Amino acid sequence: EVQLVQSGAEVKKPGESLKISCKGSGYSFSNYWIGWVRQMPGKGLEWMGIMYPVDSDTRYSPSFQGQVTISADKSITTAYLQWSSLKASDTAMYYCARLQGGNEYYFDFWGQGTLVTVSS
Amino acid sequence: QSVLTQPPSASGTPGQKITISCSGSSSKIGSNTVNWYQQLPGTAPKLLIYSNNQRPSGVPDRFSGSKSGTSASLAISGLQSEDEADYYCAVWDDSLNGPVFGGGTKLTVL
Repeated sequence: EVQLVQSGAEVKKPGESLKISCKGSGYSFSNYWIGWVRQMPGKGLEWMGIMYPVDSDTRYSPSFQGQVTISADKSITTAYLQWSSLKASDTAMYYCARLQGGNEYYFDFWGQGTLVTVSS
Repeated sequence: QSVLTQPPSASGTPGQKITISCSGSSSKIGSNTVNWYQQLPGTAPKLLIYSNNQRPSGVPDRFSGSKSGTSASLAISGLQSEDEADYYCAVWDDSLNGPVFGGGTKLTVL
């Protein structure tokens, strides 16, 4: 059974750094792109970026380029999303999702989400 | 503002059939297949329809998708109270190397 299990909720202050995780199991982690999606309170889904664990090839949405860093450790089948300096506007739910590829692309399995709250 | 346009809300009564639309440009929906995600209250999104009209294993056949030109639709027949959720369409954007999502439609079952 494919599972993506994300790390727990975080409460941080503006300017602090943060790294959240997403552990994949039940499939060949290295062979699928994994992505991150933001959902701000009461809002829709926004794609942030994707990474291919085999070679760490990473693509960012222009809206998030330079704002976050996506990484992965394939030895422990875990992907990461990190911030070096959080802002209040980073308060949101963050989801990781596995990208099904081939001729068409879609996120077929999702993590349960990690709520990040940034407040002074 | 999303490049894919969905109505912000939709509603129906149990047993009814409803459709949710998703419209975009020829470079978006016109060029790639459409996927739909269901997000039940307080939960993560779940893949509902992929490649315009394919259902993943476990998704009831009450849910169906279609696409014509630069528009797509999600139909839900035999509406049930547990279908109350937010529904998002999405297409792969080749220039972004990532997906674009519609703004979402909140379905209320009256």
